[in-house]
Amino acid sequence: AQTVTQSQPEMSVQEAETVTLSCTYDTSESDYYLFWYKQPPSRQMILVIRQEAYKQQNATENRFSVNFQKAAKSFSLKISDSQLGDAAMYFCAYRSAKNFGNEKLTFGTGTRLTIIP
Amino acid sequence: DTEVTQTPKHLVMGMTNKKSLKCEQHMGHRAMYWYKQKAKKPPELMFVYSYEKLSINESVPSRFSPECPNSSLLNLHLHALQPEDSALYLCASSQDPLLSSGGRADTQYFGPGTRLTVL
Repeated sequence: AQTVTQSQPEMSVQEAETVTLSCTYDTSESDYYLFWYKQPPSRQMILVIRQEAYKQQNATENRFSVNFQKAAKSFSLKISDSQLGDAAMYFCAYRSAKNFGNEKLTFGTGTRLTIIP
Repeated sequence: DTEVTQTPKHLVMGMTNKKSLKCEQHMGHRAMYWYKQKAKKPPELMFVYSYEKLSINESVPSRFSPECPNSSLLNLHLHALQPEDSALYLCASSQDPLLSSGGRADTQYFGPGTRLTVL
């Protein structure tokens, strides 16, 4: 079974600074997907970024980028130029590349990010 | 457009009530999901429907009964719930997994959730 670990329950960063959230995972599969989701106080889960395991290139979405280290099974999220709207719970998630009965997302326990004005 | 809608936003029910949660998407997605999320915890998968057929049931108690009447709609029927079932219930959907590899069948898009309180 796959597991996802987020070792930082809480993080804080000054507005406009950069912060990195950590995520490690364990799997015996070679093909999979990794995600970061953001859940603000409104409670809606919002996709931040997606990484395909077979692609070595790290995914980026505007101010959000990842450092994907497949051999180390590490998938950290970097947020540049932090904004007040980035304050949220961030979940790292794993999904097998298989379908039809394997669509389950396995989530980490989350990191609560606070932005200091 | 990546919108998944859920109704109602809030629901309060007694342990003897029967109620239903509704989830709708018009993105042509062919997989839909129900998650349960307790406060300060990650979402936990309950059910997955793929092509309107139940493909995953994560050993959920029978007081929760899912239904997928068509490819756009997913219901969760609730009956004889317990106070510990109070939680945020999230619906999600993802693309047709039989699409070409250029599609993103792996990516789930979530609705805003229904906050359920069982008295």
